[in-house]
Parts: sequence; structure tokens; C-alpha cells
Amino acid sequence: DAKTTQPTSMDCAEGRAANLPCNHSTISGNEYVYWYRQIHSQGPQYIIHGLKNNETNEMASLIITEDRKSSTLILPHATLRDTAVYYCIAYNAGNMLTFGGGTRLMVKP
Amino acid sequence: DAGITQSPRHKVTETGTPVTLRCHQTENHRYMYWYRQDPGHGLRLIHYSYGVKDTDKGEVSDGYSVSRSKTEDFLLTLESATSSQTSVYFCAISEGVGLFFGSGTQLSVL
Repeated sequence: DAKTTQPTSMDCAEGRAANLPCNHSTISGNEYVYWYRQIHSQGPQYIIHGLKNNETNEMASLIITEDRKSSTLILPHATLRDTAVYYCIAYNAGNMLTFGGGTRLMVKP
Repeated sequence: DAGITQSPRHKVTETGTPVTLRCHQTENHRYMYWYRQDPGHGLRLIHYSYGVKDTDKGEVSDGYSVSRSKTEDFLLTLESATSSQTSVYFCAISEGVGLFFGSGTQLSVL
């Protein structure tokens, strides 16, 4: 699996968009970009995934660059409950899903 | 929660004792996983299973064994627990669009 690089921590004001970047410059053509988050002491929660195209669901949007070397997870209107560690993972079926250190997002009032 | 139940939720044990953690799923998923999570290390894969009696090692499998005798149950065993195995253990299942995790088991080895 390709290695991903994320900032260690970020802050965001409540109600504003949170934009979480991820670099995955060694991603292979058949690897998807997955995003998970983990709220303190809970199991990781699936957010969204994509291959080439931008994706949106009820939780977030995923923007993948055309060369697929980086992506951004967007939480359009962050709330205090979005405070969590966010993990970006490059993965394809048949391989092991490997979590890195993630980004600790702090949403502040 | 994708029908995943981990038991026990909390356990305290002594060094050298055997410990078995159970992961139970109700939706007939083929793939099941055991992860551990420690401060500063994120989540690390211990073992995984791709079917009944089909298992393989992850990146931190030393000191652990697993068994899957039926689809719904994936057991993680610490044959002789050590203090370095104090951790939070998460079970996960694969549902096509990614992994879905249980609520975790907090294990303390004294």
C-alpha cells in the first residue's frame, strides 16, 4: 500500500469548512483513497472513499487531484462533534488496510 | 455498527495468563480483522481472516494467535499475556466499501 502523509494537527472554527489534506504521491492505479475518523476511545468510522473522481456523501466531500498524488477531505460545516483524528489511507482490496498517524482536528467554538 | 460485537469490553489480567478476545458479527461478512491501538502508534493490524479457518498475519502478530471456526466469530488469543500487550483491541469487518469497526476491548496486563 502507498504511504500517506498528513499534518499532525489542525484547528477549525465551528461552522466553517474543515479542509484536511493528504499526500499519497506513490499511490498505484488500483488503490483507492479512503478516509476514516476516530473520535476519542471509539472505533474508527468510515467517512468516504474515491478512486479518481471527486466524491460527496452526507458526511463529507473528497477532492482528489488529477494526478492522484494528493487529496483533500472537506467537512463543509464543522461542528464540535467533528473533533477527532482523521486518517487518510491508500488501499485496494486484497491488501491490508494500514493506518498512519492521522490528523488531529480540533473544532473550536 | 455493522453488527459487530466485541467481548469483553474491558479486561484486567496478570502477566503470563492466557486471554481470549471475541469478535462476533451478524451479517455473514467474509473478511474480519484484529487491530491494536497504542498511543503514538495508531492502529496496527495483528491478524486477519478471509474465511472460515483461513487466517493470515498482520504487521504485529508475534504473541497472538487467532481462530475462525465459523463465519460469525473471530477469536484473538494471547497465549501468555505480557505487559506490552496492554492496549485497545479493535475488531473490524470488510463490507466492500471499507472496514467497519467494533467498539473495542480495553485490555490491561498487570
